[in-house]
Amino acid sequence: GAGVSQSPRYKVTKRGQDVALRCDPISGHVSLYWYRQALGQGPEFLTYFNYEAQQDKSGLPNDRFSAERPEGSISTLTIQRTEQRDSAMYRCASSIGLAGTYEQYFGPGTRLTVT
Amino acid sequence: AQKVTQAQTEISVVEKEDVTLDCVYETRDTTYYLFWYKQPPSGELVFLIRRNSFDEQNEISGRYSWNFQKSTSSFNFTITASQVVDSAVYFCALSDSGGSNYKLTFGKGTLLTVNP
Repeated sequence: GAGVSQSPRYKVTKRGQDVALRCDPISGHVSLYWYRQALGQGPEFLTYFNYEAQQDKSGLPNDRFSAERPEGSISTLTIQRTEQRDSAMYRCASSIGLAGTYEQYFGPGTRLTVT
Repeated sequence: AQKVTQAQTEISVVEKEDVTLDCVYETRDTTYYLFWYKQPPSGELVFLIRRNSFDEQNEISGRYSWNFQKSTSSFNFTITASQVVDSAVYFCALSDSGGSNYKLTFGKGTLLTVNP
């Protein structure tokens, strides 16, 4: 079946603009995670959903970042008033169940560049 | 707090050599999971293996093998008879129930280059 998809794959935006990044998980996957990966680093946790409930948002850097998953499937990560330091690869992952028990499958990522 | 250390930043080998990628982890939980992911030059993250903390049996899958040792908090990955297609960044990751979110904590990755 289809894997995790993310859109757009690349986004260039000017400082101060808002951006919305979309994640479409594998069908039937309960858990959905957002990570951010800087160049030369491993992904870092941002936030996590079980179904539509946001279970943990402790990794979101500040209140300009928010995420939702209103129907328990597609999720959107929104960054308001973007800054250059927000430039990174944003990755989404989904898991069929509690992610510790099951592996997380990652999407291709959205490369965000803030100019 | 969870932590994963991959001390080898870059490794370069010649094709057909064996290579071992090291991973050391820290966690306070007794139940946890360890993972390896591969990130080829194309950029995607590909799942390779998951182990839970109660299963210390080593695992072999084709040319890949994993050595899990709780006594030294290590989960090392060996590629036998390496091939050029193995060239990638390899990430070790840890997931535990801290906060009940099972987020993945990644190491910084090891860049493996296999030369023909």
